[in-house]
Amino acid sequence: DSGVTQTPKHLITATGQRVTLRCSPRSGDLSVYWYQQSLDQGLQFLIQYYNGEERAKGNILERFSAQQFPDLHSELNLSSLELGDSALYFCASSVWGTSYNEQFFGPGTRLTVL
Amino acid sequence: GIQVEQSPPDLILQEGANSTLRCNFSDSVNNLQWFHQNPWGQLINLFYIPSGTKQNGRLSATTVATERYSLLYISSSQTTDSGVYFCAVEWEGAQKLVFGQGTRLTINP
Repeated sequence: DSGVTQTPKHLITATGQRVTLRCSPRSGDLSVYWYQQSLDQGLQFLIQYYNGEERAKGNILERFSAQQFPDLHSELNLSSLELGDSALYFCASSVWGTSYNEQFFGPGTRLTVL
Repeated sequence: GIQVEQSPPDLILQEGANSTLRCNFSDSVNNLQWFHQNPWGQLINLFYIPSGTKQNGRLSATTVATERYSLLYISSSQTTDSGVYFCAVEWEGAQKLVFGQGTRLTINP
């Protein structure tokens, strides 16, 4: 158990819908990262937050957005869903800001868009 | 951006065998991690190893940062070692992990 929690574990929805994925980081970690794992693209970085502020952005679609709340949990919002958005979405957390920046991953949310 | 290449892409072994997985990267890195993705999809941290050598039971890893590669050794393989092994790097100037394509390891009883 990495200490990072994600809900829900599975999500099945239809094209055009909107979903929210939730993540709670490990105790003491201020930075949260979102990654997407799909069959054709592999594991790709989407976005990073540190203590509530966006710090880095990857290949995140405009239909996707995220935020980190004062209690440090984070949510990833996916809207106008397409079949190609079906993937495993991981949240990771780390201390960040020091020379040691090991990232720990949650169990993932498996999203299926029908 | 940085390129991360893992080899071999697939490896099939009998229980008890030893294996070496390789990760090459194209630029200087701040952070290198090895993960095991089990059949249920969970990413399990194996090593945080930007340089040097570490051992944890039957697993060990070595990163030679100056030559831009890392090796993961698995000895006396067990069926529970099956899954995909990922190398991921955080390179200078970036704040994200860049993953290789993984090595799929299958251990047969």
